[in-house]
Amino acid sequence: IVLTQSPGTLSLSPGERATLSCRASQTVTSSYLAWYQQKPGQAPRLLIYGASTRATGIPDRFSGSGSGTDFTLTISRLEPEDFAVYFCQQYGSSPKTFGQGTKVEIK
Amino acid sequence: QVQLVESGGGLVKPGGSLRLSCAASGFTFSDYYMSWIRQAPGKGLEWVSHIDASGTTIFYGDSVKGRFTISRDNANNSLYLQMNSLRTEDTAIYFCARGGYKYANSWGQGALVTVSS
Repeated sequence: IVLTQSPGTLSLSPGERATLSCRASQTVTSSYLAWYQQKPGQAPRLLIYGASTRATGIPDRFSGSGSGTDFTLTISRLEPEDFAVYFCQQYGSSPKTFGQGTKVEIK
Repeated sequence: QVQLVESGGGLVKPGGSLRLSCAASGFTFSDYYMSWIRQAPGKGLEWVSHIDASGTTIFYGDSVKGRFTISRDNANNSLYLQMNSLRTEDTAIYFCARGGYKYANSWGQGALVTVSS
């Protein structure tokens, strides 16, 4: 399954709302979709799994939604530490695949 | 807390071999699937391989099948990736990660593997 993320880059200010899209080439079984955050020079961190369940310790300003082929990660109010690259990943079909990433940068 | 520390990366010529290790702590290693995931410089992520808790169920991505071997030592809380017949396109940061049947919920800092003549 090919995952296409959009936009490639999102330029926003702290306090603004961020909406990131992840579109799959086929239906993602059982909404088996995860989101990760990666900061420069760091490993990715799991944010969301099962399309909408926040991982342990993830603030509630992060939310995931969607099903089928269209999924969304929303950051309700951007904090300075949220500027990073975000990847989606599907695990409903083998092989597990990632999207190419969306960079959220400071405007 | 969960700690995953990779080692064994470096510079190798095309056709050469390298063995990555991952030392795990802070959780019951023998209860978890473990994975290797890589990221080429400035690129996205690719799931290379995963292994189940007992070491009997293994997955390899098509790009490494037949060249890479994943293994684990539950007695020593360690995960390994033996990489043979390395190609320039294998150049990447290799992350050790906890999980693998579905998603990866903890990641190491990564080991850089550079394949170049």
